[in-house]
Amino acid sequence: EPEVTQTPSHQVTQMGQEVILRCVPISNHLYFYWYRQILGQKVEFLVSFYNNEISEKSEIFDDQFSVERPDGSNFTLKIRSTKLEDSAMYFCASSGLFANEQFFGPGTRLTVL
Amino acid sequence: DQQVKQNSPSLSVQEGRISILNCDYTNSMFDYFLWYKKYPAEGPTFLISISSIKDKNEDGRFTVFLNKSAKHLSLHIVPSQPGDSAVYFCAARSGGTSYGKLTFGQGTILTVHP
Repeated sequence: EPEVTQTPSHQVTQMGQEVILRCVPISNHLYFYWYRQILGQKVEFLVSFYNNEISEKSEIFDDQFSVERPDGSNFTLKIRSTKLEDSAMYFCASSGLFANEQFFGPGTRLTVL
Repeated sequence: DQQVKQNSPSLSVQEGRISILNCDYTNSMFDYFLWYKKYPAEGPTFLISISSIKDKNEDGRFTVFLNKSAKHLSLHIVPSQPGDSAVYFCAARSGGTSYGKLTFGQGTILTVHP
Protein backbone atom coordinates (compact mmCIF):
# COMPACT_ATOMS: atom_id res chain seq x y z
CA GLU A 1 0.00 0.00 0.00
CA PRO A 2 1.45 3.40 -0.95
CA GLU A 3 2.50 5.59 1.95
CA VAL A 4 4.02 8.94 2.76
CA THR A 5 7.63 8.72 3.91
CA GLN A 6 9.68 11.27 5.83
CA THR A 7 13.37 11.69 6.56
CA PRO A 8 15.06 11.99 8.92
CA SER A 9 13.02 10.42 11.70
CA HIS A 10 14.84 12.58 14.25
CA GLN A 11 16.81 15.78 13.73
CA VAL A 12 18.77 17.54 16.44
CA THR A 13 20.04 21.03 15.70
CA GLN A 14 21.43 24.09 17.41
CA MET A 15 19.33 27.22 17.73
CA GLY A 16 19.86 29.48 14.74
CA GLN A 17 20.78 26.69 12.37
CA GLU A 18 18.87 25.86 9.20
CA VAL A 19 17.10 22.52 8.86
CA ILE A 20 15.44 20.83 5.93
CA LEU A 21 12.82 18.19 6.55
CA ARG A 22 12.08 15.89 3.67
CA CYS A 23 8.98 14.07 2.56
CA VAL A 24 8.04 11.79 -0.28
CA PRO A 25 4.26 12.03 -0.77
CA ILE A 26 2.16 9.26 -2.28
CA SER A 27 3.10 9.20 -5.94
CA ASN A 28 -0.15 10.20 -7.66
CA HIS A 29 -1.16 12.77 -5.07
CA LEU A 30 -1.31 16.43 -6.00
CA TYR A 31 -1.82 18.25 -2.70
CA PHE A 32 0.85 18.39 -0.05
CA TYR A 33 0.82 19.63 3.51
CA TRP A 34 2.96 20.18 6.55
CA TYR A 35 1.60 19.98 10.08
CA ARG A 36 3.36 20.00 13.40
CA GLN A 37 2.64 18.82 16.92
CA ILE A 38 4.42 20.38 19.85
CA LEU A 39 4.65 17.96 22.76
CA GLY A 40 1.37 17.88 24.65
CA GLN A 41 -0.44 20.07 22.14
CA LYS A 42 -2.72 19.61 19.15
CA VAL A 43 -1.63 18.76 15.65
CA GLU A 44 -1.62 22.14 13.89
CA PHE A 45 -1.63 23.09 10.23
CA LEU A 46 1.38 24.88 8.78
CA VAL A 47 1.00 25.03 5.01
CA SER A 48 -0.64 23.46 1.98
CA PHE A 49 0.94 23.28 -1.47
CA TYR A 50 -0.53 22.62 -4.89
CA ASN A 51 0.68 23.12 -8.43
CA ASN A 52 4.06 24.35 -7.24
CA GLU A 53 2.76 27.08 -5.05
CA ILE A 54 1.45 27.62 -1.54
CA SER A 55 -2.34 27.30 -1.36
CA GLU A 56 -2.75 28.31 2.25
CA LYS A 57 -0.50 28.96 5.23
CA SER A 58 -1.08 29.47 8.92
CA GLU A 59 0.13 32.27 11.16
CA ILE A 60 2.89 29.97 12.35
CA PHE A 61 4.32 29.74 8.82
CA ASP A 62 6.28 32.98 8.88
CA ASP A 63 9.27 34.09 6.83
CA GLN A 64 11.50 31.57 8.60
CA PHE A 65 9.64 28.75 6.90
CA SER A 66 9.61 27.75 3.25
CA VAL A 67 8.45 24.77 1.24
CA GLU A 68 9.63 23.40 -2.03
CA ARG A 69 8.99 20.56 -4.42
CA PRO A 70 12.45 20.33 -5.95
CA ASP A 71 11.67 17.37 -8.17
CA GLY A 72 8.79 15.08 -9.04
CA SER A 73 8.86 13.16 -5.80
CA ASN A 74 10.20 15.18 -2.86
CA PHE A 75 8.49 17.85 -0.82
CA THR A 76 10.60 19.76 1.68
CA LEU A 77 10.10 22.08 4.62
CA LYS A 78 12.97 24.45 5.41
CA ILE A 79 13.34 26.37 8.63
CA ARG A 80 15.95 29.04 8.07
CA SER A 81 16.97 29.91 11.62
CA THR A 82 15.56 27.50 14.16
CA LYS A 83 14.26 28.61 17.53
CA LEU A 84 13.78 26.56 20.68
CA GLU A 85 10.01 26.74 20.18
CA ASP A 86 10.33 25.03 16.78
CA SER A 87 10.97 21.76 18.61
CA ALA A 88 8.08 19.52 17.61
CA MET A 89 7.00 16.54 15.53
CA TYR A 90 6.60 17.63 11.92
CA PHE A 91 4.18 15.65 9.79
CA CYS A 92 3.96 15.69 6.03
CA ALA A 93 0.66 14.72 4.41
CA SER A 94 -0.68 14.35 0.90
CA SER A 95 -4.02 13.93 -0.79
CA GLY A 96 -5.21 13.11 -4.27
CA LEU A 97 -7.24 15.13 -6.73
CA PHE A 98 -10.84 15.48 -5.49
CA ALA A 99 -9.93 13.33 -2.51
CA ASN A 100 -11.02 14.43 0.91
CA GLU A 101 -8.67 12.36 3.01
CA GLN A 102 -5.14 13.42 3.83
CA PHE A 103 -2.58 10.70 4.43
CA PHE A 104 0.19 11.37 6.87
CA GLY A 105 3.81 10.32 7.08
CA PRO A 106 5.44 8.99 10.26
CA GLY A 107 6.84 12.39 11.20
CA THR A 108 10.23 13.96 11.90
CA ARG A 109 11.02 14.80 15.49
CA LEU A 110 12.90 18.11 15.48
CA THR A 111 14.81 19.01 18.62
CA VAL A 112 16.32 22.48 18.81
CA LEU A 113 18.97 22.93 21.52
CA ASP B 1 -7.74 27.46 18.69
CA GLN B 2 -10.75 25.68 20.17
CA GLN B 3 -12.72 25.13 16.97
CA VAL B 4 -12.52 21.35 17.38
CA LYS B 5 -12.71 19.88 20.85
CA GLN B 6 -12.46 16.38 22.22
CA ASN B 7 -13.47 16.78 25.81
CA SER B 8 -12.50 13.33 27.02
CA PRO B 9 -8.73 12.96 27.32
CA SER B 10 -9.06 9.23 27.81
CA LEU B 11 -11.48 6.33 27.56
CA SER B 12 -11.14 2.82 28.92
CA VAL B 13 -13.25 -0.02 27.50
CA GLN B 14 -13.44 -3.78 27.87
CA GLU B 15 -12.67 -5.91 24.84
CA GLY B 16 -15.82 -6.74 22.87
CA ARG B 17 -17.75 -3.71 24.14
CA ILE B 18 -18.51 -0.52 22.27
CA SER B 19 -16.13 2.45 22.32
CA ILE B 20 -17.69 5.85 21.74
CA LEU B 21 -15.39 8.79 21.10
CA ASN B 22 -16.86 12.26 20.93
CA CYS B 23 -15.93 15.49 19.19
CA ASP B 24 -17.52 18.95 19.16
CA TYR B 25 -16.87 21.80 16.76
CA THR B 26 -17.81 25.43 16.55
CA ASN B 27 -17.11 26.45 12.95
CA SER B 28 -20.16 26.08 10.70
CA MET B 29 -17.91 26.30 7.63
CA PHE B 30 -16.41 22.87 8.27
CA ASP B 31 -17.60 20.65 5.43
CA TYR B 32 -15.81 17.38 6.03
CA PHE B 33 -14.84 15.49 9.15
CA LEU B 34 -12.25 12.79 9.64
CA TRP B 35 -11.07 10.47 12.36
CA TYR B 36 -7.44 9.50 12.66
CA LYS B 37 -5.77 6.93 14.87
CA LYS B 38 -2.26 7.47 16.13
CA TYR B 39 0.24 5.18 17.79
CA PRO B 40 3.27 6.58 19.64
CA ALA B 41 6.13 7.60 17.33
CA GLU B 42 3.93 7.23 14.25
CA GLY B 43 1.95 9.62 12.12
CA PRO B 44 -1.85 9.84 12.21
CA THR B 45 -3.51 7.02 10.26
CA PHE B 46 -6.75 7.81 8.46
CA LEU B 47 -9.67 5.79 9.83
CA ILE B 48 -13.01 7.02 8.57
CA SER B 49 -14.61 10.24 7.38
CA ILE B 50 -17.98 11.87 6.79
CA SER B 51 -19.24 14.69 4.65
CA SER B 52 -21.29 17.43 6.27
CA ILE B 53 -24.24 16.47 4.05
CA LYS B 54 -24.49 13.04 5.67
CA ASP B 55 -25.30 11.96 9.18
CA LYS B 56 -23.73 8.50 9.26
CA ASN B 57 -20.91 6.61 7.63
CA GLU B 58 -20.01 3.03 8.39
CA ASP B 59 -16.89 1.00 7.60
CA GLY B 60 -16.64 -2.39 9.22
CA ARG B 61 -16.40 -2.00 12.98
CA PHE B 62 -16.21 1.80 12.71
CA THR B 63 -19.18 4.13 12.39
CA VAL B 64 -19.10 7.90 12.46
CA PHE B 65 -22.22 9.90 13.31
CA LEU B 66 -22.63 13.59 12.58
CA ASN B 67 -25.20 15.83 14.26
CA LYS B 68 -24.91 19.16 12.46
CA SER B 69 -27.44 20.99 14.57
CA ALA B 70 -25.48 20.10 17.69
CA LYS B 71 -22.11 20.50 15.93
CA HIS B 72 -21.17 17.12 17.30
CA LEU B 73 -19.70 13.97 15.86
CA SER B 74 -18.89 10.63 17.37
CA LEU B 75 -16.92 7.55 16.42
CA HIS B 76 -18.30 4.17 17.44
CA ILE B 77 -16.07 1.14 17.47
CA VAL B 78 -17.83 -2.16 17.95
CA PRO B 79 -16.66 -4.62 19.01
CA SER B 80 -13.57 -3.00 20.51
CA GLN B 81 -10.31 -4.91 20.32
CA PRO B 82 -7.04 -4.50 22.25
CA GLY B 83 -5.34 -3.46 18.98
CA ASP B 84 -7.64 -0.44 18.87
CA SER B 85 -5.77 1.05 21.82
CA ALA B 86 -4.30 4.31 20.49
CA VAL B 87 -4.89 8.05 20.44
CA TYR B 88 -7.89 9.04 18.32
CA PHE B 89 -8.04 12.46 16.71
CA CYS B 90 -11.07 14.14 15.28
CA ALA B 91 -10.28 16.57 12.43
CA ALA B 92 -12.40 18.98 10.44
CA ARG B 93 -11.76 20.45 7.02
CA SER B 94 -12.59 24.01 6.11
CA GLY B 95 -12.63 25.94 2.90
CA GLY B 96 -14.82 23.74 0.77
CA THR B 97 -11.90 22.65 -1.33
CA SER B 98 -10.23 19.28 -1.67
CA TYR B 99 -7.05 20.77 -0.28
CA GLY B 100 -8.54 22.57 2.70
CA LYS B 101 -6.54 22.51 5.89
CA LEU B 102 -7.46 20.18 8.73
CA THR B 103 -8.15 21.46 12.23
CA PHE B 104 -7.54 18.80 14.87
CA GLY B 105 -8.96 18.10 18.28
CA GLN B 106 -6.73 17.36 21.23
CA GLY B 107 -7.12 13.61 20.93
CA THR B 108 -8.61 10.90 23.14
CA ILE B 109 -6.50 8.03 24.43
CA LEU B 110 -8.47 4.82 24.02
CA THR B 111 -7.43 1.80 26.04
CA VAL B 112 -9.15 -1.51 25.31
CA HIS B 113 -8.59 -4.07 28.03
CA PRO B 114 -8.54 -7.79 27.19
